[in-house]
Amino acid sequence: TQLLEQSPQFLSIQEGENLTVYCNSSSVFSSLQWYRQEPGEGPVLLVTVVTGGEVKKLKRLTFQFGDARKDSSLHITAAQPGDTGLYLCAGLDSGNTPLVFGKGTRLSVIA
Amino acid sequence: DAGVIQSPRHEVTEMGQEVTLRCKPISGHNSLFWYRQTMMRGLELLIYFNNNVPIDDSGMPEDRFSAKMPNASFSTLKIQPSEPRDSAVYFCASRLAGGLYNEQFFGPGTRLTVL
Repeated sequence: TQLLEQSPQFLSIQEGENLTVYCNSSSVFSSLQWYRQEPGEGPVLLVTVVTGGEVKKLKRLTFQFGDARKDSSLHITAAQPGDTGLYLCAGLDSGNTPLVFGKGTRLSVIA
Repeated sequence: DAGVIQSPRHEVTEMGQEVTLRCKPISGHNSLFWYRQTMMRGLELLIYFNNNVPIDDSGMPEDRFSAKMPNASFSTLKIQPSEPRDSAVYFCASRLAGGLYNEQFFGPGTRLTVL
């Protein structure tokens, strides 16, 4: 059974601080997706990484896929209250199989 | 594109009643997923379809739960009879399987409360 472990589970920081969220597995994935979910809404896809070592940037968010495609990280620079939400990583084994989701990191950015 | 559409957004019902949740996937997507999310258990996959065919329903908690996908643009998740422990947010998601990215998109969810 493939598992994705996210850490930390909860994170509360002040506006302007930097943070990193981790997503780790013992399994290899063909791609990995990051989502952000705000209260009362569905998860919104932020980025997909497919190549080992790949780095993608989305404004103040930097996503990295591990060289072995078993892990990923999300780094947020100068966090803002609008970054508050549940961050989920999800790995894909092959094209027709379901995503494997982590339990999520619940981030709170305090103004 | 309108994205994945779910209805209703909120449902409050009494124990024993039948509940039907509806989903319209993104046009052109060939895979559809139903999830349930609670604080305790997180996001759980209930069932998924490829090309309108149910592939794996091992996540469906009991026989009270059933799902159908009569065509490529519509799916339902039915609970009959409903119980208080079914209270959760139910999400539908769709994607075009087989591409390089296989990006999956979620609907806004249906918040179900069973009294």
